[in-house]
Formats: sequence, C-alpha cells, structure tokens
Amino acid sequence: SQQGEEDPQALSIQEGENATMNCSYKTSINNLQWYRQNSGRGLVHLILIRSNEREKHSGRLRVTLDTSKKSSSLLITASRAADTASYFCATDGAIQGAQKLVFGQGTRLTINP
Amino acid sequence: DAGVIQSPRHEVTEMGQEVTLRCKPISGHDYLFWYRQTMMRGLELLIYFNNNVPIDDSGMPEDRFSAKMPNASFSTLKIQPSEPRDSAVYFCASSFSRGNEQYFGPGTRLTVT
Repeated sequence: SQQGEEDPQALSIQEGENATMNCSYKTSINNLQWYRQNSGRGLVHLILIRSNEREKHSGRLRVTLDTSKKSSSLLITASRAADTASYFCATDGAIQGAQKLVFGQGTRLTINP
Repeated sequence: DAGVIQSPRHEVTEMGQEVTLRCKPISGHDYLFWYRQTMMRGLELLIYFNNNVPIDDSGMPEDRFSAKMPNASFSTLKIQPSEPRDSAVYFCASSFSRGNEQYFGPGTRLTVT
C-alpha cells in the first residue's frame, strides 16, 4: 500500500495566497521528502526533512513533520502562477532501506492569476 | 551536468512489439531507479540498482519486463512483448548514496496500441 498519502488531491487558489498540502504515512521513516512535478516533466526534489526535525524552510517553502501523528505538511507562501504543479511526498521507511522511496498520489495545485 | 537523460522521449508501438527504454544517470550517482507513472496507479517503483547490481525488482509487473545496468552510465528497461496496459510514462532517476534525494529524468511516454 502507499506509504504516503497527500491531502487534498486537488487545490485551486489565487495568486498571492498561501497553499498548504498534507501528507500522511504509515510506518517509521528516516526522512520525508517533497517533490514537484510540472505537467509533462519529471519530478524535481524540493526539500528533505529528517525524522528528528520538526520544521524546515527553503525560500517560500515551509515543511513540518510530526512523527507522532505520522504526518507532514508543505506550505507554499505567496503563491505564483509558476507554482502550478503536482506535489508529492515521499518516504523512505526505516524498514525499506534508505534509498528506496515510496511516493504518494500527489496534490494537484493550480494557482489562478 | 546534463541531469538524468532518457531516450526516447516518446514511443508509440503496436501490441506484441519489443520496447527498449534507455537511461543515463548523473555521473557519480550509484543508485538508479526505474518508475512507471499512470493516472490510475500513480508513481510505482519497478526496480532499482546499486553500483549496477539489481537490489529490488519486486515492483516489476511480470516476466515481460526486464532491466539491465551493464555499466555505471547506462541502463535499459525492456518490455517484450508489449501490451496496451503498459502504456504509461516511465521515469528513470538516480541518487547518490550519501543522500537519498532522487534526480529524475524527463520520462519516456509509451503508448502501446
């Protein structure tokens, strides 16, 4: 079964607003990653948060991790049209081995100008 | 670095034909992954290699699928014979053992008619 599951499946907001996507997973992890996929392209790594970290920032991105709830959130502040894409969380799973990732189904984000 | 290179970018073939997808990972990366993405099933890991050795092929759907990595700079995924249900986007990704962020190629869109 899928390790990571994103919520919502689709999100549509106005440019300039903040977008929040959530990810839940089932088993223990070493770290959790977020990726972006533009239409017709490969996935691009955005940010990695380790299991002993609670929050991480990268530019307009903020990721939180709650290992007690087995959940993570990705916040994109001051959204831009170029942020329109699908966003995936990926977990390694402590029992899977650090290099193998399992991806969720993704959140499709649309930024309206 | 040019990133992960995949060829062809698009492949249209008839049912029963052999299909070979190719991948060149990022130089220095010692892990290589093959994924399949469809609307119904999302992103699925098919197989991954470490130092050219297959580590986990549990995601390979059936014996019609095979993958090789003859050297550190080249891998192939072969489908023989192809079926319409194999239609999907196939991604190759690579990573470096000191961190498990994965770098994806642009994908090969396969259509089997």
